[in-house]
Formats: sequence, C-alpha cells, structure tokens
Amino acid sequence: EVQLAESGGGLVQPGGSLRLSCAVSGFTFSRYSLNWVRQAPGKGLEWVSYISGSGTTIYYADSVKGRFTISRDNAKNSLYLQMNSLRDEDTAVYYCARDGGVGYYAIDVWGQGTTVTVSS
Amino acid sequence: NFMLTQPHSVSESPGKTVTISCTRSSGSVASNYVQWYQQRPGSAPTTVIYEDNRRPSGVPDRFSGSIDTSSNSASLTISGLKTEDEADYYCQSWDTDVPYVFGAGTKVTVL
Repeated sequence: EVQLAESGGGLVQPGGSLRLSCAVSGFTFSRYSLNWVRQAPGKGLEWVSYISGSGTTIYYADSVKGRFTISRDNAKNSLYLQMNSLRDEDTAVYYCARDGGVGYYAIDVWGQGTTVTVSS
Repeated sequence: NFMLTQPHSVSESPGKTVTISCTRSSGSVASNYVQWYQQRPGSAPTTVIYEDNRRPSGVPDRFSGSIDTSSNSASLTISGLKTEDEADYYCQSWDTDVPYVFGAGTKVTVL
C-alpha cells in the first residue's frame, strides 16, 4: 500500500524555522517526483514546491521562494521541507503529495498532512 | 501565469446531477491535462479525475470529467448525487512555468 506520512509540524514564532519530513512506503521512491501542497485554515489548496525523482529539478511557488527549501533522501525514502523566515500567512496544513503524471503534473497520492502554526 | 476559476458553491438534492466548471484564464484548456480532487471535511484530498476525463480505480463512474474548448473550461459532473459526495472539489492544471495551478475550490452541498 502506498503511504505518505508527514511529520515535523508545530507552533513557531514569526521569523522562526521548521523542518517538515515525509516518510514514504509502498513504491519505488526514487522513480517519483514529489510535492508539498498547503492549505491555510478555511482556504483552498496552494502548491508550494516540487522536486523530481533524482532531485535535480526543483520548483517553488513565488510565495515561498527564497525562504523554503525542498530536498529528498532517496536512500531513506524521505522528503523534506526546510522552512525559514516563517510568516503568519505560512500557517497551514502541509501535505506531502506524489506526482503521478507521465509527461505532465498531477497528484495521485496525498499524505494526511501536518499542521504548521506561525504565531507569537 | 494563468488562473482557474470555479464557482464558490453548488447544491443539489440526492439522486440529481451537479456540474462544476473550471475556466482557464489564459492559454488553452486543451493544452494541459486537468485533474479534479475531492476533499471531504477534515480529510486529505483524493483524486477523482485525471487527464481531463479518466477515473482512478475505485472512483465510481458517477464522476466524469470533460473539457470544452469553446468556453476554455473543464467540468466535473457528479450524477446520482449521494450524501457522501458532499465535499470541496478542486480543479488543477499546469503550465511550463508552473507545475501546479489549483482552482479556489467548489463546495458541493447535498440538500
């Protein structure tokens, strides 16, 4: 069974840092691109970042560019999101999501999410 | 970058049919596949339609997707509406510069 399990969320002050992790099982990790997608309270889905299977191709949403860093460890079947200079508007549930498209971008599996709260 | 515009909400009675539109602001809707995700209250999203009109295994055939180039929009149709279909639905597509663009979501209420 394909599973994505996020961890690392919590309460952090504005300007602080947090590192999210996503542990993956049930498929060949290195063959798939992965994403972070977030959802602020009562709001819609917002794509945050993408990383290819090899880690060589990375994209960020403009809202997090320069503050967030996505990475992966294919030996540990794990995806990460390092979040620095956090702002109130970064408060959200953060989902790890597998990219299942072949030649295009589409999410086929979602994790259950981890909650990040930025507040003083 | 383009935007995907969805109605804020739709409602219908059990057994009826609802259709949710997703209009692309620029570029052709036919150029890049559209996906649809369902998010029930308190749960993570799941995929109900990919590649414009294909259903993942396990998604009932009451769910169907289509695109209309004349209106530059995609649509998700749910027929034989059930109470379990009450959820938020998001369309998603992509472009060469942005791998993921989501619509703002449509709340489906089963009356």
